[in-house]
Amino acid sequence: QKEVEQNSGPLSVPEGAIASLNCTYSDRGSQSFFWYRQYSGKSPELIMFIYSNGDKEDGRFTAQLNKASQYVSLLIRDSQPSDSATYLCAVNGGGLSNDYKLSFGAGTTVTVRA
Amino acid sequence: EAGVTQFPSHSVIEKGQTVTLRCDPISGHDNLYWYRRVMGKEIKFLLHFVKESKQDESGMPNNRFLAERTGGTYSTLKVQPAELEDSGVYFCASSQGLGRGGTEAFFGQGTRLTVV
Repeated sequence: QKEVEQNSGPLSVPEGAIASLNCTYSDRGSQSFFWYRQYSGKSPELIMFIYSNGDKEDGRFTAQLNKASQYVSLLIRDSQPSDSATYLCAVNGGGLSNDYKLSFGAGTTVTVRA
Repeated sequence: EAGVTQFPSHSVIEKGQTVTLRCDPISGHDNLYWYRRVMGKEIKFLLHFVKESKQDESGMPNNRFLAERTGGTYSTLKVQPAELEDSGVYFCASSQGLGRGGTEAFFGQGTRLTVV
């Protein structure tokens, strides 16, 4: 069983719509959760992190965490063509356990249609 | 502020040769990580340095891989001898000190290694 699962996509949304990305993880001990955006041929760019259950908003991005369901999601509101990229979900044990190594999902490719 | 930088960006070597990848982390970041993505797979953890010490090297595939971080600054990852299955993109990342904030890792552009 993979540690971090994501739908590979591609996810196609029209400009201005909400893109919803999902991620599940297998390790119940996971404490820190991250979303990275990766443009083709570029480095993964950290766009959101969340540690506590609930929602965390930053601009057009909202991360949602449900540890009981081992589920983390990313919403992109008012999607723009520049949001077209691969979105990587990553988790680790967190700083309290000194477990810093990230486990990544395979990524979800998002295409925003103009 | 400069981000994580990696050299070279691309490397093509023959099977059996040696290659050394370099990573310069963000200044002041004690934590340095190496990750690898092979074709069609997820990004996988290789190892984690805290300053000059290896904190976790559980992801290193075998003893052909050697990572060093002299003086707790830049790091090198040497593959000797290289095999075909070592081909992939090698990413370096860094993060600040310990604790919750220390886990937010910033990635370099990666080195694309091709072994032929």
